[in-house]
Amino acid sequence: SQTIHQWPATLVQPVGSPLSLECTVEGTSNPNLYWYRQAAGRGLQLLFYSIGIGQISSEVPQNLSASRPQDRQFILSSKKLLLSDSGFYLCAWRTADRKNIGAFFGQGTRLTVV
Amino acid sequence: GQQVMQIPQYQHVQEGEDFTTYCNSSTTLSNIQWYKQRPGGHPVFLIQLVKSGEVKKQKRLTFQFGEAKKNSSLHITATQTTDVGTYFCAGGASYDKVIFGPGTSLSVIP
Repeated sequence: SQTIHQWPATLVQPVGSPLSLECTVEGTSNPNLYWYRQAAGRGLQLLFYSIGIGQISSEVPQNLSASRPQDRQFILSSKKLLLSDSGFYLCAWRTADRKNIGAFFGQGTRLTVV
Repeated sequence: GQQVMQIPQYQHVQEGEDFTTYCNSSTTLSNIQWYKQRPGGHPVFLIQLVKSGEVKKQKRLTFQFGEAKKNSSLHITATQTTDVGTYFCAGGASYDKVIFGPGTSLSVIP
């Protein structure tokens, strides 16, 4: 069966520090991968999605970037965090073969920038 | 760009009452998905609708996809306390891009 791993679960970082969040998927190949951010009590904002290695679509211009160095690995990064980067970051995967199923989420990372 | 809206933002119901949330997209969707997020948790996929006018049921939950593939609804019959959470619709003009609506937060008063 497929599983998605996302870590760390919580993170407190000072303003101006770098960020690296990693997400890996097991049990499937060539998945679509997604990074979302959720502010407290709000909806999910699509940040990046990827349909293949090295293929990244950016949805929101900001100081974040994403990379997909391997088929089942998706990394969210920042060189310098801002206070506004605080939030709940969620990684998700979805089968690329267009079967009748949706996206499956990791447990998320709660990031607080102080 | 594409926008997905949901109403209402919040809904408080007495246990046993019905609940409906509505989803509207500014563009035609290739499919619509519904998710449930419990407080403190991550979204969990419930169902996907693909065909125009499609209706699907999961026990007390009924999902509809509009004829124009721009709107959808989720109806819960006889709510229970286990239904508490935020319900999101999501979709996109293409299969690969999945945009979420802002969600409807449901609270159930026992």
